[in-house]
Amino acid sequence: QKEVEQDPGPLSVPEGAIVSLNCTYSNSAFQYFMWYRQYSRKGPELLMYTYSSGNKEDGRFTAQVDKSSKYISLFIRDSQPSDSATYLCAMKRLNTGNQFYFGTGTSLTVIP
Amino acid sequence: EAGVTQFPSHSVIEKGQTVTLRCDPISGHDNLYWYRRVMGKEIKFLLHFVKESKQDESGMPNNRFLAERTGGTYSTLKVQPAELEDSGVYFCASSRTGYEQFFGPGTRLTVL
Repeated sequence: QKEVEQDPGPLSVPEGAIVSLNCTYSNSAFQYFMWYRQYSRKGPELLMYTYSSGNKEDGRFTAQVDKSSKYISLFIRDSQPSDSATYLCAMKRLNTGNQFYFGTGTSLTVIP
Repeated sequence: EAGVTQFPSHSVIEKGQTVTLRCDPISGHDNLYWYRRVMGKEIKFLLHFVKESKQDESGMPNNRFLAERTGGTYSTLKVQPAELEDSGVYFCASSRTGYEQFFGPGTRLTVL
């Protein structure tokens, strides 16, 4: 079983829609959760990170962590064509190593 | 501030040849990571340097892979001899704290 599961999509939405991207994980030791955005032929770009459970908002983006369900989400409000990219979740155990565990990524297209 | 840079951006070699990938981290970042993404799979951790010391190399696939970070600045990842299954995108990331990891654009390696 993979440590992190992420629906690869593809996901296609009209401009202005609310997008919900999700990951599940199996290891309860994960405490630190990140979302990366990756444009084609580029490296992953850190969007947001959260520690433990709860919500974090940054502009049009909201990251949500539910540790009881081992489920994390990224919401994008008022989606724009420039949001079209692959979104990767990543997570890390606290205090035991620095490696990140990634999902496979969800491909998102926002149609003008 | 310059980001993480990687060279070359793309390398095509034949099975049995040697390839050396280079990563220049963000200035002042002691932590340097190598990751690899094989087509269709998630990004996977290879190893982690703190300055010039290997902190964790648990993700290195086998002894055909050799990573170095002389002087705690740039790092190289050598594959010798390359096999078909080594094809993929090799990412380097750097971090000041170990939590926010900033990724380079990657080197796309094709082994024929």
